[in-house]
Parts: sequence; C-alpha cells; structure tokens
Amino acid sequence: GQQVMQIPQYQHVQEGEDFTTYCNSSTTLSNIQWYKQRPGGHPVFLIQLVKSGEVKKQKRLTFQFGEAKKNSSLHITATQTTDVGTYFCAGPVLNTNAGKSTFGDGTTLTVKP
Amino acid sequence: DAGITQSPRYKITETGRQVTLMCHQTWSHSYMFWYRQDLGHGLRLIYYSAAADITDKGEVPDGYVVSRSKTENFPLTLESATRSQTSVYFCASSVYRGNTEAFFGQGTRLTVV
Repeated sequence: GQQVMQIPQYQHVQEGEDFTTYCNSSTTLSNIQWYKQRPGGHPVFLIQLVKSGEVKKQKRLTFQFGEAKKNSSLHITATQTTDVGTYFCAGPVLNTNAGKSTFGDGTTLTVKP
Repeated sequence: DAGITQSPRYKITETGRQVTLMCHQTWSHSYMFWYRQDLGHGLRLIYYSAAADITDKGEVPDGYVVSRSKTENFPLTLESATRSQTSVYFCASSVYRGNTEAFFGQGTRLTVV
C-alpha cells in the first residue's frame, strides 16, 4: 500500500542551528501537507503544497515539493525553542475521493537553549 | 468558535468494557476522521466518514465501531476494550474540494487497564 516515510525520526539541535526533515512517498502525490504537533498537543496544519517543484516560505520555515511529487522537505532556519514539537507530512491516499491522507511517522525536534 | 471538540479528554477503563469517545464539529465539514497515535507510529487512521450515514474503514479498524447520524457528530466506540487500545485518539474534520487540510480535536487519552 501507499507509504509515507519521514526521516529522521528524532533531531536534537542547539538553538540557532538549522533543521530539516524529509518526507518520501512510495507513490506520486497530488499534494502534500505538513503539520506540527507541540508536546501534549494536537496536530496543527502548517501548509499544503500542490505543484511540482513548489517552494513556500513561512517566516523561518521553508517547504519544498519535489519535481516528481514523491518527496518533500521542511527546513527551519535558526531554530528557536518555540519550534519544539513533532512535524508530520501527509499525502492523500491514491484512488480515493475520500479526502483522507496517509501520515508519516513524524520527526520530533528538540531544541537546546 | 468551538471548532472541533472531543470528550472526554481523559478516560480510564477496564478491559472488556465498552467505551465511546465523542467528537463534535461546528463547521459542517463533510469529512471526519478518527486517528490513534501511539509512540513511534505517528497517526493511524481508524475510520473515516465522507458524510452523514457514510463511513468506511481506515488502516486499523478492528475492535472499533463508528456511526454518523448527524454531520456534526462522529462517535467512536470500542466494543470491548483491550490493553492494546490504550492510546491517544484524535478526531479530525476536513472540507474536501481538492483540499485535504484536516483540523484536529484536542485528543482523548484512553488508558485500558
């Protein structure tokens, strides 16, 4: 079945360092979403990418969608303690109009002040 | 603006008991979802619903039952709770018109003893 894989599973950085998480799908995606979950919280939608090669920025966060639409990345520049949490990517399940997505297992970011 | 609410937030139940987790959304979103989140497994889809009276299985449906008699409510029932169903359960909703952005509830932490 369709799989969405994320690496790394965990990342520990010093405040001010950059951080990148990668998402790879076994199949081509029509779009990909990114979510952030703070410790003890619920996933919160960050962004959706639709076009091949698309790049979007949100302040210090840069999201990319691969040319083949099978991979994506989230890059955070100069991490802050507020960036702590788990970042998930999610892609629509193929051959369905159910609006459901397959989630990656997430990358948990910890930031040392 | 209540959005999407889950109840209870915390629940302890005994093995073999039936327990129902409630989910209510105020946006009239067509699609609703139930996920479980276990350490190291990310978010796994249990059941989803495309509209009132339309439900379908996700990745891990065994031991769970759902219903959706009204658009705004999507309860999840564990018919006979087992320890392996100890988890954090998230309800989510989305408007699917080429957009699979999901809005998550606060979650229910269920412990089966």
